[in-house]
Amino acid sequence: TQLLEQSPQFLSIQEGENLTVYCNSSSVFSSLQWYRQEPGEGPVLLVTVVTGGEVKKLKRLTFQFGDARKDSSLHITAAQPGDTGLYLCAGEGSQGNLIFGKGTKLSVKP
Amino acid sequence: DAEITQSPRHKITETGRQVTLACHQTWNHNNMFWYRQDLGHGLRLIHYSYGVQDTNKGEVSDGYSVSRSNTEDLPLTLESAASSQTSVYFCASKRGLGTEAFFGQGTRLTVV
Repeated sequence: TQLLEQSPQFLSIQEGENLTVYCNSSSVFSSLQWYRQEPGEGPVLLVTVVTGGEVKKLKRLTFQFGDARKDSSLHITAAQPGDTGLYLCAGEGSQGNLIFGKGTKLSVKP
Repeated sequence: DAEITQSPRHKITETGRQVTLACHQTWNHNNMFWYRQDLGHGLRLIHYSYGVQDTNKGEVSDGYSVSRSNTEDLPLTLESAASSQTSVYFCASKRGLGTEAFFGQGTRLTVV
């Protein structure tokens, strides 16, 4: 069974601070995706990383895929209250099924 | 616009009853998934399908079944609802490997 360990589970920070969320596994994934979920809604895709060592940037968010394609990180620079939400990493198996981590609930206070 | 819809959005049922949750997508995606989301557990995969007549068990499939008779729909059936199946259920679809998964709005199921 493929498992994704996501940390931290909860994060409460002040506006302007930086943060990093980690997603680790003992399994190799075809790709790794990061989603963000608002209360009462389904998750929405932020980014997909496919190649080992790949780095992608989305405004103040930086995503990195580990060289061995087993782990990933999400770094947010100068967090804003609008970044508040549940961040989920998902590893994609060889046939396209998605396995999710438990999520990181981020709260950014003004 | 293409979309994925779940129904009902909320349901209360009694222990032992059979319940079916609907999921319909208009993207013509081959891959469809059912997850449940509980506090402390994140999204856990119940069943998934890679195409018509194809169904596969996920990590928490006991007590649930799915059928795929067409591309658009993947209904989830709880054979005999239990209180442990009280949860929020999400359906998702995606085109293939490395592509975005689109999620429905979720169904909040309460088993009393």
